[in-house]
Amino acid sequence: QVQLQQWGAGLLKPSETLSLTCAVYGGSLSDYYWSWIRQPPGKGLEWIGEINHSGNTNYNPSLKSRVTISVDTAKKQISLKLSSVTAADTAVYYCARESGSYLNRWFDPWGQGTLVTVSS
Amino acid sequence: DIQMTQSPSSLSASVGDRVTITCRASQHISSYLHWYQQKPGKAPKLLIYGASSLQSGVPSRVSGRGSGTDFTLTISSLQPEDFATYYCQQSYSTSRTFGQGTKVEIK
Repeated sequence: QVQLQQWGAGLLKPSETLSLTCAVYGGSLSDYYWSWIRQPPGKGLEWIGEINHSGNTNYNPSLKSRVTISVDTAKKQISLKLSSVTAADTAVYYCARESGSYLNRWFDPWGQGTLVTVSS
Repeated sequence: DIQMTQSPSSLSASVGDRVTITCRASQHISSYLHWYQQKPGKAPKLLIYGASSLQSGVPSRVSGRGSGTDFTLTISSLQPEDFATYYCQQSYSTSRTFGQGTKVEIK
């Protein structure tokens, strides 16, 4: 059964770069897209972007200028970088696998989530 | 972006009640609609994919319907473990979007 384990710095200052990594255990990295999703405290879910094993990416247009998602197939890891963070980027960040095919793709499973707080 | 609107935003219900949550898309999304349950401090859990397919391990009291722009999630007999927040999500567009969530609380 595929499990996702994520980690990264939990406290950042404004203007710094958020950096998170998600490792895939018990399954293949190939044949799937992998997404990052975030949830500000007490609010709903926002999709950040996705990547496949070949490095093809799609990003949320509202975050595209600040986001970089990358993949390391040898380590079976997906990484997220978000530059120039502000307090508005404070959220729990999740990685998730996109299961399904073509347009019918859903998020399952999910990582455990990482709380990132931006504060001076 | 495709906007997803859920209603209601919250509801109070009793154990045993039938509960229905609605999700409306701002444009046609065929059946590319999925439902998640989230409990406090936990990652969302997939309930329904493709508008009506029940994820393995999810109880049969949970069901989903709809296509095009209007979708529903129904819990036929609410159980204590069903009190949570529910989200819909579309995958018709490359830019995935979620509904704002529906919180199901104990009456």
